[in-house]
Amino acid sequence: EIVMTQSPATLSVSPGEGATLSCRASQSVSNNLAWYQQKPGQAPRLLIYGASSRATGSPARFSGSGFGTEFTLTISSLQSEDFAVYYCQQYNNWPYTFGQGTKLEIK
Amino acid sequence: EVQLVESGGGLVQPGGSLRLSCAASKFTFSSYAMSWVRQAPGKGLEWVSIISGSGGVTYYADSVKGRFTISRDNSKNTLSLQMNSLRAEDTAVYYCAKDARWEVLVGYSDCWGRGTLVTVSS
Repeated sequence: EIVMTQSPATLSVSPGEGATLSCRASQSVSNNLAWYQQKPGQAPRLLIYGASSRATGSPARFSGSGFGTEFTLTISSLQSEDFAVYYCQQYNNWPYTFGQGTKLEIK
Repeated sequence: EVQLVESGGGLVQPGGSLRLSCAASKFTFSSYAMSWVRQAPGKGLEWVSIISGSGGVTYYADSVKGRFTISRDNSKNTLSLQMNSLRAEDTAVYYCAKDARWEVLVGYSDCWGRGTLVTVSS
């Protein structure tokens, strides 16, 4: 099973600033990496797939990068609605696995 | 707009069974793989099972293999998860999720239901 490790666990950022979230895979997943946003009491929402492609409806301030084992989700100019938990997920091999999440909180 | 509505959750005793359903609408159900993903209270996400559009391919997490069965009825646009021999650690919100690509099982989901809570406790 591929283990996905996200860092940091919690990130405190002020609105208007940028944020960088990291995700590391225990073995290469090529570019088969997705990012999801989850707000309390809601289902996850797909933001990024293929490591760097924005999903339909995902704002342009969200961007993804990386390949192999190291991935990054960058959010430029944080809006109030961006404060949530973010998960990375690999779909290169079954079982598909998620990272433990990064909580993005208001500083 | 794509809609996924889960039902069937509830309280069940350890060792018991439960059947979850997901009613899908506003898309060509048979052309998309479908998944169940769960989230224990206050915890992260775990992919439980996935089934291809035709139903001919299924995968299960090791944690549920042999106890859970995923199935679909393309004539009724319904996805199901039969859960047997339930354990306390199966307590979670179970989400139904639609695969993102038409006619190809890709493994990431672009639409999720609101989830149904399963509680396994005596």
